[in-house]
Amino acid sequence: GAGVSQSPSNKVTEKGKDVELRCDPISGHTALYWYRQSLGQGLEFLIYFQGNSAPDKSGLPSDRFSAERTGGSVSTLTIQRTQQEDSAVYLCASSPGQGHVSYNSPLHFGNGTRLTVT
Amino acid sequence: RKEVEQDPGPFNVPEGATVAFNCTYSNSASQSFFWYRQDCRKEPKLLMSVYSSGNEDGRFTAQLNRASQYISLLIRDSKLSDSATYLCVVNGRTGGFKTIFGAGTRLFVKA
Repeated sequence: GAGVSQSPSNKVTEKGKDVELRCDPISGHTALYWYRQSLGQGLEFLIYFQGNSAPDKSGLPSDRFSAERTGGSVSTLTIQRTQQEDSAVYLCASSPGQGHVSYNSPLHFGNGTRLTVT
Repeated sequence: RKEVEQDPGPFNVPEGATVAFNCTYSNSASQSFFWYRQDCRKEPKLLMSVYSSGNEDGRFTAQLNRASQYISLLIRDSKLSDSATYLCVVNGRTGGFKTIFGAGTRLFVKA
């Protein structure tokens, strides 16, 4: 079946503009994650959604970042008033499992959105 | 201290060499463990899960020591195609679920 789909694959925006990044997880996967990866760096956890539970937002770097997940499927990560330090690859991942089972499940990543803030 | 720490890289090895990567994690409540591989400018992909009893997949062997909070990955008979970044991944459930990635160890296998 289809994997995790992210769009756009590349986004160039001017400093101060808002951007929206989209993630379509694998059908039936209840867990969805957003990570960010700067050039040559490791993955930075941003936010995690699991079913209907309140999301874990502990990784969001500032209040300019927000994310939502509608109907337990598609997720949108929004960055307001973008800054140059927001430039990175934003990776979405999903995994199967419900509740406490999900932590045993590996993640399936999308191809990422490469964001460049000029 | 980082929640997941890996060997600093890069590792430069000749084809056919055996190479070992180490990883330590700080959260004793961590529940599951994985090694991922990430090629340059690509997304991470699961290489293998890590079990307490140790597990092997062809040339790759993963081991977990819960008492020492230590994970390892051994690659035997290295191939050029093994060149990539290897990420140690830990799933925990303390104060809310979180999947933590190590910073990764870069491997270069040369002819």
